[in-house]
Amino acid sequence: NAGVTQTPKFQVLKTGQSMTLQCAQDMNHNSMYWYRQDPGMGLRLIYYSASEGTTDKGEVPNGYNVSRLNKREFSLRLESAAPSQTSVYFCASSEGPRRGYTFGSGTRLTVV
Amino acid sequence: GESVGLHLPTLSVQEGDNSIINCAYSNSASDYFIWYKQESGKGPQFIIDIRSNMDKRQGQRVTVLLNKTVKHLSLQIAATQPGDSAVYFCADHNYGQNFVFGPGTRLSVLP
Repeated sequence: NAGVTQTPKFQVLKTGQSMTLQCAQDMNHNSMYWYRQDPGMGLRLIYYSASEGTTDKGEVPNGYNVSRLNKREFSLRLESAAPSQTSVYFCASSEGPRRGYTFGSGTRLTVV
Repeated sequence: GESVGLHLPTLSVQEGDNSIINCAYSNSASDYFIWYKQESGKGPQFIIDIRSNMDKRQGQRVTVLLNKTVKHLSLQIAATQPGDSAVYFCADHNYGQNFVFGPGTRLSVLP
């Protein structure tokens, strides 16, 4: 049982480049989330999808877009990367809004 | 969880001792709390949860205490082992909102 799978694990981008972070879960969870984690700070919610077909902004959505492709997959896109987006990105899923999250192993993104 | 700035608090304990990790939350409407463990280079992992109608919950070697009066949560780890070395953080949830995560505490287990 793979849980939550994120790709890629590492990425270096130049300022202005675009990329898509992929996330897939095999637990039949309804809700999926994208977080970023910066040193000394808690996880901050970028976007979430409470159920297939819906997406909503979180605390720090600027500079990002998301797509809930189907129940399994939730992708995060950076259209024009900026150095401030250097971070570790985590995808998570849960059965619903008041259930524990299962996290992926993260994508370490550096924007130069 | 409550933001405590850029510096991650660190707790160092001797192997075999008990560890107590604390967390303050700010929203008095929070009704569900989770502790996560994050090892270096990995994603956070669920440890234990507690709902606001409880003040204590026990798991295997871990106990979570909730004090709603002062909006405080603690995680107790019994007989701390080297494998417990990680960053631990709490998350609180209130109805209609998403979880809010604290910045975490780094636990170092000394041999």
